[in-house]
Amino acid sequence: DVKVTQSSRYLVKRTGEKVFLECVQDMDHENMFWYRQDPGLGLRLIYFSYDVKMKEKGDIPEGYSVSREKKERFSLILESASTNQTSMYLCASKSRHLLTGELFFGEGSRLTVL
Amino acid sequence: GEDVEQSLFLSVREGDSSVINCTYTDSSSTYLYWYKQEPGAGLQLLTYIFSNMDMKQDQRLTVLLNKKDKHLSLRIADTQTGDSAIYFCAENTGRRALTFGSGTRLQVQP
Repeated sequence: DVKVTQSSRYLVKRTGEKVFLECVQDMDHENMFWYRQDPGLGLRLIYFSYDVKMKEKGDIPEGYSVSREKKERFSLILESASTNQTSMYLCASKSRHLLTGELFFGEGSRLTVL
Repeated sequence: GEDVEQSLFLSVREGDSSVINCTYTDSSSTYLYWYKQEPGAGLQLLTYIFSNMDMKQDQRLTVLLNKKDKHLSLRIADTQTGDSAIYFCAENTGRRALTFGSGTRLQVQP
């Protein structure tokens, strides 16, 4: 089974702090994604990556950056956390060879910015 | 633009059928999906349907697709308390990532 692991389930940070959210997948998937989930808004795409060192902006990239130095790892970075970034962050991966194209999700990282 | 819409909340009694509805706007979607999110967890794929199909059945789950109206539904027969969760529909237009709806919270009352 595909396993997507997000290293931190719960984080509490202060405004202005730099925050790293780490995600690792073990199925050699080419594509990886970061979404944020907010009540009533569903999942919104922040960034995605289709290969090592490649990244593309999603729908809400402002205030975020990403890093993909290795195929299995995709990091989300908040350079200076703000209270409106309090949210659930979900990492996902998929194989470009899987015809059905579904995403496999991690358990999520709930970030609170005070 | 891409916009997938769902109602936010549905309450049913245990043993009844649940029907969760979704509308999407991109007629080029190749696959449409239903994901389930249990409390405190990530999303798990429940089922999917290819765009050239009208219906797909998998045990208690029935997915109906009306391409003309861009309407997707998920029917859960004999709903159980363990079905209480948030259900997301999503579309795959072949571009970038999947586009998700806002999610429907299903509450099953004993």
